[in-house]
Amino acid sequence: AQSVTQLGSHVSVSEGALVLLRCNYSSSVPPYLFWYVQYPNQGLQLLLKYTTGATLVKGINGFEAEFKKSETSFHLTKPSAHMSDAAEYFCAVSDMGTYKYIFGTGTRLKVLA
Amino acid sequence: NAGVTQTPKFQVLKTGQSMTLQCAQDMNHNSMYWYRQDPGMGLRLIYYSASEGTTDKGEVPNGYNVSRLNKREFSLRLESAAPSQTSVYFCASTPRASQDYNEKLFFGSGTQLSVL
Repeated sequence: AQSVTQLGSHVSVSEGALVLLRCNYSSSVPPYLFWYVQYPNQGLQLLLKYTTGATLVKGINGFEAEFKKSETSFHLTKPSAHMSDAAEYFCAVSDMGTYKYIFGTGTRLKVLA
Repeated sequence: NAGVTQTPKFQVLKTGQSMTLQCAQDMNHNSMYWYRQDPGMGLRLIYYSASEGTTDKGEVPNGYNVSRLNKREFSLRLESAAPSQTSVYFCASTPRASQDYNEKLFFGSGTQLSVL
């Protein structure tokens, strides 16, 4: 079964600084990868998704992620953090051959004024 | 559109009690899912239903049962609640059919369950 690993359960950045949230996947075939965001007391919503094709994926709210096959990574970035970006972020993979979606353990982003 | 609706939003149970969490979607989606969210453990899949009439176990099915009542509704039942089932439960759905692996999930707002 496929899986994703998120390094860093908590990340703090200053407002205006670069945001980098890490996700690595385990897959022997091209994976279908997603980033979701969860604001406090809400469900998850999609930020962006990778399918086959362009390795740089742009999402909502200025976020983007780069698919790097050589590093089995799909890290999420944003050039300049905003206070409203404070939330928990989840990397997920669509399990090939089944209907399962497997999530990472999440990274809570804190933005400091 | 309401999207994915979960009821109740909050519930407190005593050990050994039973209850059913309800989930309904109005988007004509094929696949539905139940996850639990615990601090430091992310979202873990309990059960899923790829289509009406089918259900399958996820990563943590023990202590739970599910019913895909029709295409809209997918319920999760705790027959004898335990403190280890204290968690936030999310229902999700997707229009996905067959090998549409890039379809996203649509989530409900969650049910916060405490088992004392």
